[in-house]
Amino acid sequence: KNEVEQSPQNLTAQEGEFITINCSYSVGISALHWLQQHPGGGIVSLFMLSSGKKKHGRLIATINIQEKHSSLHITASHPRDSAVYICAVARETSGSRLTFGEGTQLTVNP
Amino acid sequence: ETGVTQTPRHLVMGMTNKKSLKCEQHLGHNAMYWYKQSAKKPLELMFVYNFKEQTENNSVPSRFSPECPNSSHLFLHLHTLQPEDSALYLCASSQDIGRYNSPLHFGNGTRLTVT
Repeated sequence: KNEVEQSPQNLTAQEGEFITINCSYSVGISALHWLQQHPGGGIVSLFMLSSGKKKHGRLIATINIQEKHSSLHITASHPRDSAVYICAVARETSGSRLTFGEGTQLTVNP
Repeated sequence: ETGVTQTPRHLVMGMTNKKSLKCEQHLGHNAMYWYKQSAKKPLELMFVYNFKEQTENNSVPSRFSPECPNSSHLFLHLHTLQPEDSALYLCASSQDIGRYNSPLHFGNGTRLTVT
């Protein structure tokens, strides 16, 4: 069993829908990251959080440290949001080295 | 422009070839990383360098040989690879390796196919 589990693995939505991607982890962490990977391969950091909630544009990330769970929400989804979304955690003893989930493939249809 | 540049973007090589992947960062970071991403699997950390010194080798086969001549450049030398080594190889950098709030900056990766 992976230390970082994401669900769902694949998600298809219609433009405008509200989207939620979930991440559960089983180790003590210093921070949790949400990353976005487009088909070209490059990975972009969306959020880094260790408590509460962060918002950037249409993206919202929340974390519940007690439950070891985080969610990434996308409001008013758009086809350009189609990408792989990856959850990764910085373990308490690992500094900036990350443990990654398998990713969620999101496809938003027009 | 991500600040981390990888070349080449695509590479096809035979099992007897020798090739090198290059990574360059212009962010003034001190730590650099090589990751392997295979289909349907999480990113796997291969090597970590901090201030040009290798600090981690994650049980990577010796057919992969990293080189870090300075804090801005990182190479991955490849020789006698196997078809199962075909994957996306990603380079990343961070300010340092000790702080959890030192985010990673990734390059666009090199898509490697071993025939």
